Amino acid sequence: AQSVTQLDSHVSVSEGTPVLLRCNYSSSYSPSLFWYVQHPNKGLQLLLKYTSAATLVKGINGFEAEFKKSETSFHLTKPSAHMSDAAEYFCVVIRTGFQKLVFGTGTRLLVSP
Amino acid sequence: DTAVSQTPKYLVTQMGNDKSIKCEQNLGHDTMYWYKQDSKKFLKIMFSYNNKELIINETVPNRFSPKSPDKAHLNLHINSLELGDSAVYFCASSFRTGGIVVGTGELFFGEGSRLTVL
Repeated sequence: AQSVTQLDSHVSVSEGTPVLLRCNYSSSYSPSLFWYVQHPNKGLQLLLKYTSAATLVKGINGFEAEFKKSETSFHLTKPSAHMSDAAEYFCVVIRTGFQKLVFGTGTRLLVSP
Repeated sequence: DTAVSQTPKYLVTQMGNDKSIKCEQNLGHDTMYWYKQDSKKFLKIMFSYNNKELIINETVPNRFSPKSPDKAHLNLHINSLELGDSAVYFCASSFRTGGIVVGTGELFFGEGSRLTVL
Protein backbone atom coordinates (compact mmCIF):
# COMPACT_ATOMS: atom_id res chain seq x y z
CA ALA A 1 0.00 0.00 0.00
CA GLN A 2 1.04 3.56 -0.59
CA SER A 3 1.46 6.14 2.18
CA VAL A 4 3.15 9.43 2.83
CA THR A 5 4.47 10.92 6.05
CA GLN A 6 4.77 14.64 6.43
CA LEU A 7 7.37 15.10 9.11
CA ASP A 8 6.27 18.51 10.40
CA SER A 9 2.75 19.57 11.26
CA HIS A 10 3.84 23.25 11.35
CA VAL A 11 6.73 25.13 9.79
CA SER A 12 7.39 28.79 10.56
CA VAL A 13 9.64 30.97 8.43
CA SER A 14 10.30 34.65 7.94
CA GLU A 15 9.46 36.33 4.68
CA GLY A 16 12.44 36.11 2.31
CA THR A 17 13.96 33.01 3.93
CA PRO A 18 13.99 29.50 2.41
CA VAL A 19 11.15 27.05 2.84
CA LEU A 20 11.57 23.30 3.39
CA LEU A 21 8.55 21.05 3.84
CA ARG A 22 9.45 17.40 4.33
CA CYS A 23 7.69 14.36 2.96
CA ASN A 24 8.66 10.70 3.02
CA TYR A 25 6.77 8.12 1.05
CA SER A 26 6.23 4.40 1.17
CA SER A 27 5.22 2.50 -1.94
CA SER A 28 5.56 -1.04 -3.17
CA TYR A 29 5.17 0.16 -6.72
CA SER A 30 6.50 2.94 -8.86
CA PRO A 31 4.82 5.94 -7.26
CA SER A 32 3.65 9.24 -8.58
CA LEU A 33 4.04 12.01 -6.02
CA PHE A 34 2.46 15.41 -5.72
CA TRP A 35 2.29 18.48 -3.59
CA TYR A 36 -1.03 20.26 -3.20
CA VAL A 37 -1.61 23.59 -1.45
CA GLN A 38 -4.74 24.67 0.40
CA HIS A 39 -5.22 28.31 1.26
CA PRO A 40 -7.64 29.16 4.07
CA ASN A 41 -11.24 28.33 3.22
CA LYS A 42 -10.26 27.26 -0.27
CA GLY A 43 -10.02 24.03 -2.18
CA LEU A 44 -6.75 22.30 -2.94
CA GLN A 45 -4.57 23.28 -5.85
CA LEU A 46 -1.84 21.23 -7.49
CA LEU A 47 1.63 22.74 -6.93
CA LEU A 48 3.75 20.17 -8.72
CA LYS A 49 3.97 16.49 -9.59
CA TYR A 50 6.55 13.76 -10.11
CA THR A 51 5.65 10.96 -12.49
CA SER A 52 8.98 9.16 -13.12
CA ALA A 53 10.46 11.72 -15.48
CA ALA A 54 12.97 14.28 -14.14
CA THR A 55 13.65 13.85 -10.44
CA LEU A 56 13.77 17.60 -9.84
CA VAL A 57 10.33 18.97 -10.43
CA LYS A 58 9.43 22.63 -10.73
CA GLY A 59 6.00 23.84 -9.83
CA ILE A 60 4.02 27.02 -9.60
CA ASN A 61 4.92 30.06 -7.49
CA GLY A 62 8.63 29.20 -7.37
CA PHE A 63 8.26 25.88 -5.56
CA GLU A 64 10.21 22.79 -6.48
CA ALA A 65 10.65 19.28 -5.15
CA GLU A 66 13.23 16.56 -5.60
CA PHE A 67 12.38 12.87 -5.80
CA LYS A 68 15.06 10.84 -3.98
CA LYS A 69 14.42 7.15 -4.27
CA SER A 70 17.32 6.20 -2.00
CA GLU A 71 15.86 8.31 0.78
CA THR A 72 12.20 7.71 -0.16
CA SER A 73 11.71 11.44 0.10
CA PHE A 74 9.97 14.17 -1.88
CA HIS A 75 10.68 17.39 0.00
CA LEU A 76 9.20 20.69 -1.13
CA THR A 77 11.41 23.77 -1.23
CA LYS A 78 11.31 27.41 -2.16
CA PRO A 79 14.32 29.75 -2.03
CA SER A 80 12.46 32.73 -0.62
CA ALA A 81 9.14 32.67 1.22
CA HIS A 82 6.41 35.17 0.50
CA MET A 83 3.55 36.11 2.79
CA SER A 84 1.11 34.65 0.27
CA ASP A 85 2.74 31.22 0.69
CA ALA A 86 1.12 30.83 4.12
CA ALA A 87 -1.18 27.84 3.67
CA GLU A 88 -1.58 24.12 4.32
CA TYR A 89 0.56 21.87 2.14
CA PHE A 90 -0.24 18.25 1.40
CA CYS A 91 2.11 15.60 0.07
CA VAL A 92 0.23 13.01 -1.96
CA VAL A 93 1.09 9.62 -3.43
CA ILE A 94 -0.69 7.61 -6.07
CA ARG A 95 0.08 4.25 -7.49
CA THR A 96 1.09 5.08 -11.06
CA GLY A 97 -1.77 4.24 -13.37
CA PHE A 98 -4.42 4.33 -10.66
CA GLN A 99 -6.87 6.97 -9.64
CA LYS A 100 -6.82 6.88 -5.85
CA LEU A 101 -4.74 9.55 -4.17
CA VAL A 102 -3.43 9.08 -0.64
CA PHE A 103 -2.89 12.33 1.25
CA GLY A 104 -0.41 13.10 3.98
CA THR A 105 -1.60 14.79 7.15
CA GLY A 106 -0.54 18.23 5.95
CA THR A 107 2.02 20.84 6.99
CA ARG A 108 0.91 24.31 7.90
CA LEU A 109 3.36 26.92 6.65
CA LEU A 110 3.40 30.14 8.63
CA VAL A 111 5.21 33.15 7.17
CA SER A 112 6.04 36.11 9.38
CA PRO A 113 7.03 39.58 8.15
CA ASP B 1 -16.26 30.95 -14.30
CA THR B 2 -15.78 28.61 -11.36
CA ALA B 3 -14.38 25.28 -12.57
CA VAL B 4 -15.70 23.06 -9.75
CA SER B 5 -18.54 24.54 -7.76
CA GLN B 6 -20.21 23.16 -4.67
CA THR B 7 -23.36 24.22 -2.91
CA PRO B 8 -24.01 25.02 -0.20
CA LYS B 9 -20.73 26.37 1.13
CA TYR B 10 -21.94 26.14 4.73
CA LEU B 11 -24.51 23.81 6.19
CA VAL B 12 -25.61 23.72 9.82
CA THR B 13 -28.16 21.10 10.80
CA GLN B 14 -29.44 18.94 13.62
CA MET B 15 -28.59 15.31 14.26
CA GLY B 16 -30.92 12.92 12.50
CA ASN B 17 -31.66 15.23 9.58
CA ASP B 18 -31.04 14.42 5.91
CA LYS B 19 -29.03 16.81 3.77
CA SER B 20 -27.52 17.05 0.29
CA ILE B 21 -24.48 18.74 -1.17
CA LYS B 22 -24.32 19.43 -4.88
CA CYS B 23 -21.28 19.59 -7.13
CA GLU B 24 -20.87 20.66 -10.72
CA GLN B 25 -17.78 20.92 -12.92
CA ASN B 26 -17.46 22.76 -16.23
CA LEU B 27 -14.01 21.43 -17.14
CA GLY B 28 -15.25 18.62 -19.37
CA HIS B 29 -13.75 16.02 -17.01
CA ASP B 30 -15.17 12.54 -16.95
CA THR B 31 -14.34 11.61 -13.37
CA MET B 32 -15.58 13.19 -10.15
CA TYR B 33 -14.84 12.58 -6.48
CA TRP B 34 -15.99 13.31 -2.97
CA TYR B 35 -13.38 13.80 -0.25
CA LYS B 36 -13.94 14.34 3.45
CA GLN B 37 -11.59 16.60 5.43
CA ASP B 38 -11.83 16.26 9.19
CA SER B 39 -11.03 18.82 11.87
CA LYS B 40 -7.34 17.84 11.75
CA LYS B 41 -7.23 18.59 8.02
CA PHE B 42 -6.92 14.90 7.14
CA LEU B 43 -8.31 14.21 3.66
CA LYS B 44 -9.85 10.91 2.74
CA ILE B 45 -11.55 9.84 -0.45
CA MET B 46 -15.14 8.70 -0.14
CA PHE B 47 -16.37 8.06 -3.66
CA SER B 48 -15.38 8.42 -7.28
CA TYR B 49 -17.52 8.29 -10.40
CA ASN B 50 -16.38 7.94 -14.00
CA ASN B 51 -19.01 8.75 -16.62
CA LYS B 52 -21.74 8.19 -14.05
CA GLU B 53 -20.30 4.82 -13.02
CA LEU B 54 -19.09 4.28 -9.44
CA ILE B 55 -15.39 3.30 -9.52
CA ILE B 56 -14.21 4.02 -5.98
CA ASN B 57 -16.32 3.36 -2.93
CA GLU B 58 -14.36 3.53 0.28
CA THR B 59 -15.59 2.25 3.59
CA VAL B 60 -18.25 4.85 4.13
CA PRO B 61 -21.50 4.35 6.09
CA ASN B 62 -24.39 3.60 3.78
CA ARG B 63 -26.07 6.74 5.12
CA PHE B 64 -23.91 8.45 2.48
CA SER B 65 -25.23 8.03 -1.04
CA PRO B 66 -23.62 9.68 -4.04
CA LYS B 67 -25.60 10.33 -7.19
CA SER B 68 -24.24 11.27 -10.59
CA PRO B 69 -26.99 12.32 -13.01
CA ASP B 70 -24.38 13.09 -15.68
CA LYS B 71 -20.61 13.31 -15.86
CA ALA B 72 -20.63 17.02 -14.95
CA HIS B 73 -22.52 16.54 -11.68
CA LEU B 74 -21.92 14.52 -8.55
CA ASN B 75 -24.18 15.05 -5.57
CA LEU B 76 -23.83 13.69 -2.07
CA HIS B 77 -26.84 12.85 0.05
CA ILE B 78 -26.46 12.08 3.74
CA ASN B 79 -29.22 10.45 5.77
CA SER B 80 -29.64 10.50 9.54
CA LEU B 81 -26.79 12.89 10.18
CA GLU B 82 -24.52 12.23 13.14
CA LEU B 83 -22.15 14.48 15.08
CA GLY B 84 -19.16 12.69 13.53
CA ASP B 85 -20.28 13.73 10.07
CA SER B 86 -19.21 17.29 10.82
CA ALA B 87 -16.39 18.03 8.38
CA VAL B 88 -15.56 19.84 5.19
CA TYR B 89 -16.59 17.90 2.11
CA PHE B 90 -14.67 18.54 -1.08
CA CYS B 91 -15.77 17.71 -4.58
CA ALA B 92 -13.07 17.24 -7.22
CA SER B 93 -12.80 16.25 -10.86
CA SER B 94 -10.19 14.93 -13.28
CA PHE B 95 -9.69 13.14 -16.59
CA ARG B 96 -9.62 9.42 -16.98
CA THR B 97 -8.64 8.60 -20.53
CA GLY B 98 -10.58 5.93 -22.36
CA GLY B 99 -10.56 2.58 -20.67
CA ILE B 100 -7.16 3.13 -19.09
CA VAL B 101 -6.93 4.76 -15.71
CA VAL B 102 -4.60 7.72 -15.98
CA GLY B 103 -3.03 8.32 -12.60
CA THR B 104 -1.88 11.83 -13.33
CA GLY B 105 -3.00 12.89 -9.89
CA GLU B 106 -4.16 16.28 -11.02
CA LEU B 107 -7.48 16.85 -9.42
CA PHE B 108 -9.37 20.10 -9.52
CA PHE B 109 -11.10 20.82 -6.24
CA GLY B 110 -14.10 22.85 -5.30
CA GLU B 111 -13.90 25.23 -2.35
CA GLY B 112 -15.54 22.82 0.02
CA SER B 113 -18.83 22.54 1.89
CA ARG B 114 -18.51 22.88 5.65
CA LEU B 115 -21.08 20.67 7.36
CA THR B 116 -21.77 21.21 11.05
CA VAL B 117 -24.04 18.76 12.82
CA LEU B 118 -25.43 19.95 16.17
